[in-house]
Amino acid sequence: GAGVSQTPSNKVTEKGKYVELRCDPISGHTALYWYRQSLGQGPEFLIYFQGTGAADDSGLPNDRFFAVRPEGSVSTLKIQRTERGDSAVYLCASSPRATGANVLTFGAGSRLTVL
Amino acid sequence: DAKTTQPPSMDCAEGRAANLPCNHSTISGNEYVYWYRQIHSQGPQYIIHGLKNNETNEMASLIITEDRKSSTLILPHATLRDTAVYYCIVSKTGGSYIPTFGRGTSLIVHP
Repeated sequence: GAGVSQTPSNKVTEKGKYVELRCDPISGHTALYWYRQSLGQGPEFLIYFQGTGAADDSGLPNDRFFAVRPEGSVSTLKIQRTERGDSAVYLCASSPRATGANVLTFGAGSRLTVL
Repeated sequence: DAKTTQPPSMDCAEGRAANLPCNHSTISGNEYVYWYRQIHSQGPQYIIHGLKNNETNEMASLIITEDRKSSTLILPHATLRDTAVYYCIVSKTGGSYIPTFGRGTSLIVHP
């Protein structure tokens, strides 16, 4: 597609459940980023992929959060045992490369609500 | 990466120029200045970036001071659709590049 696609756009779940959020980056973009954004705050970095590998996962808050990108294209962010504090908008972005001056294209986000 | 400081909010009349300042006094020689904006309920959108020289594109102009310690994003003729949060980010070139967003400036364009 022409842009970064994220599904679902909205997800409501119960505390303790498992959630998967999907990101389809722009075709050919090797770098992929996950951020999360709480109300009134700027996006907070979670994890960055260069190709298939996670080059930097220092922003993942704890081991309940995990992300994969097995074929270097689509990525899935997985959250286990969800907590109410996980409620946020999860944003995905991609870029052609991760070196040099670089421009990120963001998706519209997946809004997660944990009841 | 260098830290940036932006005013939390600004307002501008429709049709007038919006000038959004950013302070990045600890910027180093190989760091670029990037601007993104985020319209309500959308993901951030890239606007413009620069290293030393002033830059202009179809969306905006970026003026960087000679000492590179501050910059100004200029929207020459603001419209209601320009109402958004504007983020100024400073980041190194080369290696891994992970934009770090602050709270940005909430710009309200009023009729």
